[in-house]
Amino acid sequence: DADVTQTPRNRITKTGKRIMLECSQTKGHDRMYWYRQDPGLGLRLIYYSFDVKDINKGEISDGYSVSRQAQAKFSLSLESAIPNQTALYFCATSGALYGTGELFFGEGSRLTVL
Amino acid sequence: AQSVTQPDIHITVSEGASLELRCNYSYGATPYLFWYVQSPGQGLQLLLKYFSGDTLVQGIKGFEAEFKRSQSSFNLRKPSVHWSDAAEYFCAVGAYSGGGADGLTFGKGTHLIIQP
Repeated sequence: DADVTQTPRNRITKTGKRIMLECSQTKGHDRMYWYRQDPGLGLRLIYYSFDVKDINKGEISDGYSVSRQAQAKFSLSLESAIPNQTALYFCATSGALYGTGELFFGEGSRLTVL
Repeated sequence: AQSVTQPDIHITVSEGASLELRCNYSYGATPYLFWYVQSPGQGLQLLLKYFSGDTLVQGIKGFEAEFKRSQSSFNLRKPSVHWSDAAEYFCAVGAYSGGGADGLTFGKGTHLIIQP
């Protein structure tokens, strides 16, 4: 089983719908991240969390919200999806507080907003 | 703020030839640097990382990278590429605050094409 699991892997939805992408991890890491990947733009950080009481905005948080339900679970929500949120979304984790910051990625969730 | 530049959007290399992918970074302190690979339809896998010590680091799949502080570069190399190396390659720099790692900043990626 994967250490970082994302659900759903693929989702097609319509403009204005609420969407939730879920991430769970078995690595025991405190830190969890949501990134968005667009062709030609690389990966951009949406939100990150250091523990269940800590949520931080990343580079492109507008239009998104997150919830850290437990140490192992971090979900990303689009309250009212729009077509330019069509992208590949990655959840990632990292370990020790003062570690190197190496990220461990899930396999991605491809979201299409029509 | 930190940033990463990968100057080459696409690179085409013949199978068996050598490879060098360029990466330049901007960061105010000693950086933690990473190279990740993304095969088609897959997530990102760490190839190698630099955080201290020897400036030439070895990674998986026969890759290596050299950290050059004077040039703010961290170029990825492989002496002989295989068709299975065709993928998207991302260079990244770590961002840190008093609370520790704030995530990685990624370059826009280099798409590697292998010619038979």
